[in-house]
Amino acid sequence: KAGVTQTPRYLIKTRGQQVTLSCSPISGHRSVSWYQQTPGQGLQFLFEYFSETQRNKGNFPGRFSGRQFSNSRSEMNVSTLELGDSALYLCASSPDRANTEAFFGQGTRLTVV
Amino acid sequence: DQQVKQNSPSLSVQEGRISILNCDYTNSMFDYFLWYKKYPAEGPTFLISISSIKDKNEDGRFTVFLNKSAKHLSLHIVPSQPGDSAVYFCAATYFGNEKLTFGTGTRLTIIP
Repeated sequence: KAGVTQTPRYLIKTRGQQVTLSCSPISGHRSVSWYQQTPGQGLQFLFEYFSETQRNKGNFPGRFSGRQFSNSRSEMNVSTLELGDSALYLCASSPDRANTEAFFGQGTRLTVV
Repeated sequence: DQQVKQNSPSLSVQEGRISILNCDYTNSMFDYFLWYKKYPAEGPTFLISISSIKDKNEDGRFTVFLNKSAKHLSLHIVPSQPGDSAVYFCAATYFGNEKLTFGTGTRLTIIP
């Protein structure tokens, strides 16, 4: 069974640009969560989708958005990139409950210059 | 407001000895706790969890202890092995929350 796949693995963008990250969950999993990891901050919850509906949202500005497709694949978008958005973005998939059965992908390392 | 805290950024332990990683939380609603292990360039992998109805859960070399009155949990690894060198994250949640609140992590280094 394939794991959680995130693409791309690495990305370099310029301030002011926008970026889209993709996550393919484990087959059969309907919940996809996104987390941002920065040094000293641990993993910060961005949002969670279940069956194409956003079920929970973290404390991030509106520049951060996401969506989930009918095949459970998810994308997150960051508009008007800032230097502080440089981070590892992790996606986690779960069969149903997002908080007890989360399997993480390898992440996308975003660098904003 | 850091609701889950791991106050030790790093820890070094001799191979074969016990590693003890600590985690404190402030939100009384948390009733389920997890430990994740993360190697560089990989995503976190689930290690062990504990529900608030228990005070101990064991899985092979890994044991998690929960002290609800102190809002404190700890992960014990015994005996420690070189492959245990990684960053360990403590996470907490509660029923219906549908997200994990993570600590900032502790980098464990096992010295051969």
